[in-house]
Amino acid sequence: EIVLTQSPGTLSLSPGERATLSCRASQSVSSSYLAWYQQKPGQAPRLLIYGASSRATGIPDRFSGSGSGTDFTLTISRLEPEDFAVYYCQQYGGSPLFTFGPGTKVDIK
Amino acid sequence: QLQLQESGPGLVKPSETLSLTCTVSGGSIRGSSYYWGWIRQPPGKGLEWIGSIYFSGSTYYNPSLQSRVTISVDTSRNQLSLKLTSVTAADTAFYYCARHSSPSLGDLLPRFDYWGQGTLVTVSS
Repeated sequence: EIVLTQSPGTLSLSPGERATLSCRASQSVSSSYLAWYQQKPGQAPRLLIYGASSRATGIPDRFSGSGSGTDFTLTISRLEPEDFAVYYCQQYGGSPLFTFGPGTKVDIK
Repeated sequence: QLQLQESGPGLVKPSETLSLTCTVSGGSIRGSSYYWGWIRQPPGKGLEWIGSIYFSGSTYYNPSLQSRVTISVDTSRNQLSLKLTSVTAADTAFYYCARHSSPSLGDLLPRFDYWGQGTLVTVSS
């Protein structure tokens, strides 16, 4: 099983600041198979980034993804009030077919 | 606009079977180049993929749940269903249905792009 670890667990920042979220895999993951989701309280997750760096439809360009192999990063260039949420990375491949990281909570400092 | 809606009992007794349905509107399950999956999330915790199905009936399951899970599809009703047997309190969670692409269907960038709003199922006597 490919285990995803996300850090930090919680990121306390102010609006306008830059957020850098890390996702590390226990073994190499194809960049094509790495996605990021945002989840707000009481809502379903929303796809942000797929293929490690492609933004999903309607996602603002302040969200960007990068990385390869075992280390991936989600960057929010300037935090807007609506960006405070929990972020999950997800990989495809192996067994089980999909696994998710434990999440990083971005909260207001 | 594609929409997914989960439905089913919100309370299930221990040792019984959890049954949920996901109704898809705004698009057809049949003939689509997507799989349809179930993901769950215990309150306050992370996401766990349960399994996925193609309209033909081809399925993939999470090995940790495979012995208790059955996912089926009814293309005439544009629905997919989840059955989880012998439930315990550990199965208490929000259950989501979601659509995903797959390399096996020609999309090399698999991701869950449409999600239902989720439904909370509590296992308690």
